[in-house]
Amino acid sequence: KQEVTQIPAALSVPEGENLVLNCSFTDSAIYNLQWFRQDPGKGLTSLLLIQSSQREQTSGRLNASLDKSSGRSTLYIAASQPGDSATYLCAVSSQGGSEKLVFGKGMKLTVNP
Amino acid sequence: NAGVTQTPKFRVLKTGQSMTLLCAQDMNHEYMYWYRQDPGMGLRLIHYSVGEGTTAKGEVPDGYNVSRLKKQNFLLGLESAAPSQTSVYFCASSRYTLASYEQYFGPGTRLTVT
Repeated sequence: KQEVTQIPAALSVPEGENLVLNCSFTDSAIYNLQWFRQDPGKGLTSLLLIQSSQREQTSGRLNASLDKSSGRSTLYIAASQPGDSATYLCAVSSQGGSEKLVFGKGMKLTVNP
Repeated sequence: NAGVTQTPKFRVLKTGQSMTLLCAQDMNHEYMYWYRQDPGMGLRLIHYSVGEGTTAKGEVPDGYNVSRLKKQNFLLGLESAAPSQTSVYFCASSRYTLASYEQYFGPGTRLTVT
């Protein structure tokens, strides 16, 4: 059974720092990996999707990398801003059920001005 | 283009009552999903559908039923609500494109069962 872990559960940083958010998964036979952002009381917004054949994806200040063999992904946020404060969730789909996602519990990020 | 919408946004039920949550998407997506989100548990898949007229069980299906009579709608039913079903429910949809299934989420329904 696929399990997804995000450590730490919460992080508080001053504005301007470059951040690395971690995600690990137990079964390396993934189909794709998706990073989401969730603001309080809101739904999930897709940030980046990495296919199993890819090593990284970039969107603006965000860069997500994937290392299937070690079961890890990182989300890099450059020059963090208070508006980046949110919960970030990592989710993977497996080869045996590629249309379904298994989620980590998320990491709550607070960027202080 | 509204994306994924959910009705209602909030609801309070008494134990034993029934209700239906409606999810609608206007992106012509084949796949639709219902999740619940609980503190400390993350998001867990309840049921999903791979196309009109199909449904399948997810990780936590007990106590829920679903129907997908139209491609754009996915209904989640609680026949006899229990306090353990107090949660935030999210609907999502996706389609197969560029060798991946990217999921898009609705805003959620906050359900309290007393």
